[in-house]
Amino acid sequence: AQSVTQPDIHITVSEGASLELRCNYSYGATPYLFWYVQSPGQGLQLLLKYFSGDTLVQGIKGFEAEFKRSQSSFNLRKPSVHWSDAAEYFCAVGAYNQGGKLIFGQGTELSVKP
Amino acid sequence: NAGVMQNPRHLVRRRGQEARLRCSPMKGHSHVYWYRQLPEEGLKFMVYLQKENIIDESGMPKERFSAEFPKEGPSILRIQQVVRGDSAAYFCASSPSGTGVGNQPQHFGDGTRLSIL
Repeated sequence: AQSVTQPDIHITVSEGASLELRCNYSYGATPYLFWYVQSPGQGLQLLLKYFSGDTLVQGIKGFEAEFKRSQSSFNLRKPSVHWSDAAEYFCAVGAYNQGGKLIFGQGTELSVKP
Repeated sequence: NAGVMQNPRHLVRRRGQEARLRCSPMKGHSHVYWYRQLPEEGLKFMVYLQKENIIDESGMPKERFSAEFPKEGPSILRIQQVVRGDSAAYFCASSPSGTGVGNQPQHFGDGTRLSIL
């Protein structure tokens, strides 16, 4: 069955520290992948996307992610976290033979210590 | 340059009533997707529509739920005879062409928070 796993439910990092949020997927077809961020009571904002090509993708707000097919992973990284990055982060996966349906992970809540 | 517009932002219904959630996609987008987010969970796909067509409704509950995207006007997600378990945030997303065809990401609205008394 298709699934997306974000192993870390909650992560706390200090402001200025580096960040890596994990995402693993199980898909039978060629996937495309996204990271979204959600602030409380708000909708989802697209951080970055991967469809094909260079496996290291750059997004907004200084985020990047690397697609590793051999590990079925698409981890999100940021070299230096800002207090405003505190939010919930969702990894989402789709496939070219699945139409527009996206499968979302459970989310990782990020807290930032001053 | 409006984004995806959903209304109402909050909706309160009593058990047995009907709930209608509206979604206006971004300008130039003709593909709409509905997702449901239960508390402490990620989003779950419900339905994918193009103008006047339902493309994929594999995530829709078999009863009480329906969706449409008419030629004119917003997309509507309709829940009849609501029950407590329908309480959730419902998100709409849109894309200019199908995500799986045109390599287009989905852009989300701010959601409708549905509460059932």
